[in-house]
Amino acid sequence: KAGVTQTPRYLIKTRGQQVTLSCSPISGHRSVSWYQQTPGQGLQFLFEYFSETQRNKGNFPGRFSGRQFSNSRSEMNVSTLELGDSALYLCASSLAGARGGYTFGSGTRLTVV
Amino acid sequence: AQKITQTQPGMFVQEKEAVTLDCTYDTSDPSYGLFWYKQPSSGEMIFLIYQGSYDQQNATEGRYSLNFQKARKSANLVISASQLGDSAMYFCAIWGYSGGGADGLTFGKGTHLIIQP
Repeated sequence: KAGVTQTPRYLIKTRGQQVTLSCSPISGHRSVSWYQQTPGQGLQFLFEYFSETQRNKGNFPGRFSGRQFSNSRSEMNVSTLELGDSALYLCASSLAGARGGYTFGSGTRLTVV
Repeated sequence: AQKITQTQPGMFVQEKEAVTLDCTYDTSDPSYGLFWYKQPSSGEMIFLIYQGSYDQQNATEGRYSLNFQKARKSANLVISASQLGDSAMYFCAIWGYSGGGADGLTFGKGTHLIIQP
């Protein structure tokens, strides 16, 4: 079966712009989480969506937002991009919560110049 | 708050040898789950193994086993008979059930494992 699909794989944006990243979970998975990975801070939790509702949110500024659609696909938006937003953004989906394991996508590598 | 500590930034291991990757954790949550993920250079995080805090037996998945010592707050990953394809970053992570996953998965800094022929 298809895994977690993230698009685009690579993205280059300019400071001040905004960006939208997309994540399609494994079919049947209703939970989608987003993580930011940087060399300095490592992997950090952004937020989690379940059945179109944000269930949990990490410690990130309001410039980072997301949503989930009725088909469980999720988008993440970052407004007013800063150089420090350059990172690998990973999406993970889950069927049965933590015990079932979170399946990650290959990520979107965002570079802000 | 939860914390994962991985004290081995990098490891070199000979092919076919067993490998132990260290992970200690800190949490106030009485119910939690521990995960190990592998991240090759392509970037994808690959789920390896899961251990619940109330699981009686240590988890095993093929060549991977988790040495869970609850009193010591330790959850080391053991890879038996290492292969060249095992070269990657390995991350230990924790998820707290009582908080409903409010903090998501909390990851350690990772261990860069290199298998040498």
